[in-house]
Amino acid sequence: QKEVEQDPGPLSVPEGAIVSLNCTYSNSAFQYFMWYRQYSRKGPELLMYTYSSGNKEDGRFTAQVDKSSKYISLFIRDSQPSDSATYLCAMKNSSNTGKLIFGQGTTLQVKP
Amino acid sequence: KAGVTQTPRYLIKTRGQQVTLSCSPISGHRSVSWYQQTPGQGLQFLFEYFSETQRNKGNFPGRFSGRQFSNSRSEMNVSTLELGDSALYLCASSSTGVDGYTFGSGTRLTVV
Repeated sequence: QKEVEQDPGPLSVPEGAIVSLNCTYSNSAFQYFMWYRQYSRKGPELLMYTYSSGNKEDGRFTAQVDKSSKYISLFIRDSQPSDSATYLCAMKNSSNTGKLIFGQGTTLQVKP
Repeated sequence: KAGVTQTPRYLIKTRGQQVTLSCSPISGHRSVSWYQQTPGQGLQFLFEYFSETQRNKGNFPGRFSGRQFSNSRSEMNVSTLELGDSALYLCASSSTGVDGYTFGSGTRLTVV
């Protein structure tokens, strides 16, 4: 069983929809949680970074962490065709500072 | 502010050869991590360097090695290449290793 599970999709939504992306994990030592966006033939781009539980909002993006359920989410409001990409969750514990554990990534397509 | 620069962007090598990939982190960043990305396994952590010292290592064979120079630039080397080493190799940098990581666009290695 992988440490981080993420539904690969693909997920297809109409423009303007609210998108919900999720990851579950098994290692309770994870303290730092990230969401990356990766376009084809590019490196991952950091979207959101949160420490421990709670919510964080940045523009159209909201990240939620529920450590009791070992579950993290990324919400995208008013989705745009330019949001079409692969979204990767990543996490790490406080001691392995450089080692990120990634989910498989969810491919999102936003249709005009 | 320049991002993370990886060279070369593309490489084609023959089985049994060795290869060296280069990464220039964001100015002032002292932590550099390397990842291998494949369609089947996703993003997998190779190793992390911080101030010229290897701080973390993933579960890859000894054919994969790396180093970091005093200017924080990093190289990774793969010896005795195998077909399965074909992948996108990504480098990421961080100022301390505790905060978010910024990725480069990667080097796509094809082993034939």
